[in-house]
Amino acid sequence: EVQLVESGGGLVQPGGSLRLSCAASGFIFSNYGMSWVRQAPGEGLDRISAISPSGSITYYADSVKGRFTISRDNSKNTMQLQMDSLRVEDTAVYYCVKGGVGFVSDYWGQGILVLVSS
Amino acid sequence: EIVLTQSPGTLSLSPGERATLSCRASQSISISNLAWYQQKPGQAPRLLIYGASTRATGIPDRFSGSGSGTDFTLTISRLEPEDFEVYYCQQFGSSPVTFGQGTRLEIK
Repeated sequence: EVQLVESGGGLVQPGGSLRLSCAASGFIFSNYGMSWVRQAPGEGLDRISAISPSGSITYYADSVKGRFTISRDNSKNTMQLQMDSLRVEDTAVYYCVKGGVGFVSDYWGQGILVLVSS
Repeated sequence: EIVLTQSPGTLSLSPGERATLSCRASQSISISNLAWYQQKPGQAPRLLIYGASTRATGIPDRFSGSGSGTDFTLTISRLEPEDFEVYYCQQFGSSPVTFGQGTRLEIK
């Protein structure tokens, strides 16, 4: 059974940092691109970052470019999202998602809330 | 970037009726790279359809997908009470992967 479990969310002040992690199991992690998709309260889905199976290719939406860093550790079946210089508008539920360009997003984590507020 | 426009924004129907949801792309998409998701409040999206018309595992056959090029449709043949949720289309063939803005299906 495929499982994706996010951790590391919470409340942070504007300008602060958080590091999200996603622990994957139930599939050959190193064979698949992975993504982070976020959803602001009452809004739609926004894929903000993605990483290739090897980790050599990354993607960032303009809204997070230069502030967020995606990485993965295929030996531990984990993916991370380092979020720096957080803004109020980064407040959202963040989903770890299996799949990247060319692959359907067939499995999603349960989501984790990031709340940026003073 | 491929922009996906879903219509209508909200669809009001009754249980037992047929629902037709539209997803229009700003440029042509391979049918292999179009998917539909359902999202319930407080939950992650669930994959319904991929390859424009292939149902994901466990998805009832009242859900069907069709279309090609720039116009795609999700049809729910006979609405059940549990179908009144939000639906998103997604293209994953070109970077960046993009989603439509969603269609909310509500009980009339």
